[in-house]
Amino acid sequence: TQLLEQSPQFLSIQEGENLTVYCNSSSVFSSLQWYRQEPGEGPVLLVTVVTGGEVKKLKRLTFQFGDARKDSSLHITAAQPGDTGLYLCAGGGTASKLTFGTGTRLQVTL
Amino acid sequence: NAGVTQTPKFRVLKTGQSMTLLCAQDMNHEYMYWYRQDPGMGLRLIHYSVGEGTTAKGEVPDGYNVSRLKKQNFLLGLESAAPSQTSVYFCASTQGAPTGYTFGSGTRLTVV
Repeated sequence: TQLLEQSPQFLSIQEGENLTVYCNSSSVFSSLQWYRQEPGEGPVLLVTVVTGGEVKKLKRLTFQFGDARKDSSLHITAAQPGDTGLYLCAGGGTASKLTFGTGTRLQVTL
Repeated sequence: NAGVTQTPKFRVLKTGQSMTLLCAQDMNHEYMYWYRQDPGMGLRLIHYSVGEGTTAKGEVPDGYNVSRLKKQNFLLGLESAAPSQTSVYFCASTQGAPTGYTFGSGTRLTVV
């Protein structure tokens, strides 16, 4: 069974701070995706990275896929209250299946 | 566009009762999945389908059955509900890797 561990599990920061969330595994994945989930809703895709070492930017969010395709990070610059939510990484496998990480719950306060 | 629609949104069952959760997608996606989400355990795959008429077991399939008779629908059945099946259930679909999943808004099931 492929496992994806995220750290930290919880993060409470003030508006304007920077943060990084990590997603680590001992397994190699064909792709790595990040989702954000808000209470009462399903996860929503933020980004997909497929190449080792790949970096993608989405406004204030920067995503990186590790060179060995076993890990990933999500960096948020100048966090805003609208960034609050549960962040999930997910590794791609056979039959387009995804293995999800344990999640990082982020709270950004004014 | 509706995307992925799950029904019902909430349900309370008594131990031993049965029910079916319906997932419908209007994006002509080939792949569909059922996950359960529990606190501290993330999303775990129950069953999945790679196309109409196909189903396969995921990580936690015991106590559940599925059917995909039509491409747009993926049904999850609980034959004899148990308290351990209290969870939030999510359906998702995709056209195929590396395209991301589109999720439904979930079904919150409580088994008492």
